[in-house]
Amino acid sequence: EAGVAQSPRYKIIEKRQSVAFWCNPISGHATLYWYQQILGQGPKLLIQFQNNGVVDDSQLPKDRFSAERLKGVDSTLKIQPAKLEDSAVYLCASSLERVSGYTFGSGTRLTVV
Amino acid sequence: QKEVEQDPGPLSVPEGAIVSLNCTYSNSAFQYFMWYRQYSRKGPELLMYTYSSGNKEDGRFTAQVDKSSKYISLFIRDSQPSDSATYLCAMSTNTGNQFYFGTGTSLTVIP
Repeated sequence: EAGVAQSPRYKIIEKRQSVAFWCNPISGHATLYWYQQILGQGPKLLIQFQNNGVVDDSQLPKDRFSAERLKGVDSTLKIQPAKLEDSAVYLCASSLERVSGYTFGSGTRLTVV
Repeated sequence: QKEVEQDPGPLSVPEGAIVSLNCTYSNSAFQYFMWYRQYSRKGPELLMYTYSSGNKEDGRFTAQVDKSSKYISLFIRDSQPSDSATYLCAMSTNTGNQFYFGTGTSLTVIP
């Protein structure tokens, strides 16, 4: 089966600019997650979707981050405006069932300068 | 106190050694325990998962959960250079939406 696809792989932007990341989960996986992984740390959940509805966005900085999952398949995560501390790898993951664990994409490495 | 604590290492061992990786946690409601392997510039890859307490073995890998001590371990037997990666533990409650990750332990297996 094809894995979780993410693009772009790398992005460098200046602070206060905006950026968007795209994720295509494994076909049939209803649950989609966006995680932020800062260098030297474990992934931290930003938002979880079940089909096209938000299940948990309690750790999403909503003043600058937004995410959507139209039609319950692809998802985009946007940051506007970016701050230096947003430099991290943004990982998308999907799962069929929570108990089976996630399948992660390779991530988008964001550098804010 | 963090939900999950993991020694970041780095850990360096000779090829063929037995490796022990560990995490401790504070939330007694955690029931699902997972180990992920993350190669440089790649996303985490699920290695093992266990439910509640006990051991699980898969080839050279053994996962142990001790809920009384709030302590989980991953053992790698006959370690290989290809095992060089960062190992992340993750855990969740029965009803929770997310998995809480440790910071990861960086492992290098020297040929």
